[in-house]
Amino acid sequence: GENVEQHPSTLSVQEGDSAVIKCTYSDSASNYFPWYKQELGKRPQLIIDIRSNVGEKKDQRIAVTLNKTAKHFSLHITETQPEDSAVYFCAATPGRGNTGKLIFGQGTTLQVKP
Amino acid sequence: EAQVTQNPRYLITVTGKKLTVTCSQNMNHEYMSWYRQDPGLGLRQIYYSMNVEVTDKGDVPEGYKVSRKEKRNFPLILESPSPNQTSLYFCASSSTSENIQYFGAGTRLSVL
Repeated sequence: GENVEQHPSTLSVQEGDSAVIKCTYSDSASNYFPWYKQELGKRPQLIIDIRSNVGEKKDQRIAVTLNKTAKHFSLHITETQPEDSAVYFCAATPGRGNTGKLIFGQGTTLQVKP
Repeated sequence: EAQVTQNPRYLITVTGKKLTVTCSQNMNHEYMSWYRQDPGLGLRQIYYSMNVEVTDKGDVPEGYKVSRKEKRNFPLILESPSPNQTSLYFCASSSTSENIQYFGAGTRLSVL
């Protein structure tokens, strides 16, 4: 079945450094790839997304890249700050179009040390 | 204020005692989903609904039921809860024009 693998499961960086989280997906027809951030005790919230017709998208300190051929996509956070500490989830929509179904990765706990 | 509301936020119950977790959204979204979150496993979709009276199984539907009689409501029913259903549950909704999931605040369920 459809699957999304996310690595690493934990990531610790020094404030100001960059952080990269990587995901691979199994369904070559997937066309939408969001990233969610979940702070401790809170609900997941969308931080950035990318569609399959785009290779890269940037929003201030965060960026997402997509390699459709290799079926992987990555989240890049530059100039990390303590408030970036959270659990990050990647996800992919299986199949074509929007059906409401979303497959999430296992999550990455990012710790930014001051 | 646009929101997804789920109740209760916390629930402790015993094995076999039927329970319902309610979910309501006020954004007129067509799609609604239920997820469970467990350490190391991420968010796994239990059931999703594309519209009223249209529901489908997600990745982990065993032991759960849902219904979508009204567009705004999507309750999750555990007919006979078991300890392996102890988890953090999230309801979410999204529109047909975009797949951004708006999550409720979560329900932490413990089955003893």
